Amino acid sequence: GAGVSQSPSNKVTEKGKDVELRCDPISGHTALYWYRQRLGQGLEFLIYFQGNSAPDKSGLPSDRFSAERTGESVSTLTIQRTQQEDSAVYLCASSFRPGEKLFFGSGTQLSVL
Amino acid sequence: AQSVAQPEDQVNVAEGNPLTVKCTYSVSGNPYLFWYVQYPNRGLQFLLKYITGDNLVKGSYGFEAEFNKSQTSFHLKKPSALVSDSALYFCAVRPLNYGGSQGNLIFGKGTKLSVKP
Repeated sequence: GAGVSQSPSNKVTEKGKDVELRCDPISGHTALYWYRQRLGQGLEFLIYFQGNSAPDKSGLPSDRFSAERTGESVSTLTIQRTQQEDSAVYLCASSFRPGEKLFFGSGTQLSVL
Repeated sequence: AQSVAQPEDQVNVAEGNPLTVKCTYSVSGNPYLFWYVQYPNRGLQFLLKYITGDNLVKGSYGFEAEFNKSQTSFHLKKPSALVSDSALYFCAVRPLNYGGSQGNLIFGKGTKLSVKP
C-alpha cells in the first residue's frame, strides 16, 4: 500500500476483554515496530520485528501483551485481559531496512472502560 | 542504560525568531540520530537523520540539526520559525550496539513547540 495502515482506528473495550490490533506495513519494508503513546507522553517501545530474525520483545510491559508478524507482512498486537492503564494510542511503523527512516501509521486509539 | 533526553516539555517562540529544540542521548557506540514531528491530529513524520559525515544535517521544512559528539547532543534548529511549525517533536536514537537488536529506535518523551504570531 501507499503507507502504513492500522486497524481499527479506534477501539473501545471493557476491562478484562482481549483486543487485537492490526498493522499493514509498506510493501517491501523488512522492519516493523510497535510503540505505545499514552496521552501527553512520549513513545514507548513495545516490540520490533526484522525479517526472519527473532523479534525484540524487550519493551512489552507484561505477559498480557504479545505480537506476531507473518514474514515481512501483516503484524498483530494482542492485549489480553485489558486493563484501564492499557488505554493509549498504539502506533505501528515500518522501515525498508534497520536504520532507515520510519513510516508511521495513524495509530489505534484504545480505550479500556 | 540507553536513553534519550528532551529536557524541555515545551518551547515557545515568536514567529520569525530562531528556534532550538534540545536533545541529548546516552548510548553505547556511534548512534544513528533522528528527529520526527507529530502535527496535531496527524501521524508522526520523519524530519531528518544523522548517520555519519557532516555534523550539520538538513531536513524537511527548513529544519536542521547539529550533531555534537563531545556533548552527546543532537539539537533541532530552524533559523526562522513559522506558526505552522507548532507541533510535537521527538528525538530518537538507534544505538548500533544495542543488545541483540540492530534496528530498534529509542524515542525521547517529546517537546511541544508553540510558535506565536
